[in-house]
Amino acid sequence: GAGVSQSPRYKVAKRGQDVALRCDPISGHVSLFWYQQALGQGPEFLTYFQNEAQLDKSGLPSDRFFAERPEGSVSTLKIQRTQQEDSAVYLCASSPGREQFFGPGTRLTVL
Amino acid sequence: AQSVAQPEDQVNVAEGNPLTVKCTYSVSGNPYLFWYVQYPNRGLQFLLKYITGDNLVKGSYGFEAEFNKSQTSFHLKKPSALVSDSALYFCAVRDGVDSNYQLIWGAGTKLIIKP
Repeated sequence: GAGVSQSPRYKVAKRGQDVALRCDPISGHVSLFWYQQALGQGPEFLTYFQNEAQLDKSGLPSDRFFAERPEGSVSTLKIQRTQQEDSAVYLCASSPGREQFFGPGTRLTVL
Repeated sequence: AQSVAQPEDQVNVAEGNPLTVKCTYSVSGNPYLFWYVQYPNRGLQFLLKYITGDNLVKGSYGFEAEFNKSQTSFHLKKPSALVSDSALYFCAVRDGVDSNYQLIWGAGTKLIIKP
């Protein structure tokens, strides 16, 4: 069956540009997570949705980061005025309950 | 505080030999434990989980893990390693209360299987 998909897979942005990263979770999964992953390291939690409600955004590194899931399905992570330190892989995961299923990630490079 | 430790940055094993990737954890309640694998330029793939029941859990690709409550460990094992098992492996834990959704991740262990 279809897994979690993310687009784009790769994004290059100039410093100061806004970017939007999309996540299509597995159909029917209530929970959705966004993570940031640096090369060779574990995922760092950014934010969590249960259906359309954003229940935890404690991991968002600054107010330049914004996430939404307006209809409880597709989610978008937006980064405004990108900085070089935002360069990372952004992972989305959805969950029916306990284990999380991950998408392939979006590799963001800010020049 | 909840934490996960993967004490080895890298594990090297010859093809055909058994492999073990170590994980220890600390949680306040009963743990939910997970192993994920990440191949280059790919997302994390779920391998197996321990929630309750038998301490030996079998997962994908011939992997298994043993939950040891007294040692607070959840080591990943495979009887015979394949070159294709070479990847980055992550252990994760969460407190076994369903309202606790956050996973705590280990730093990862790079597994290298040599032909």
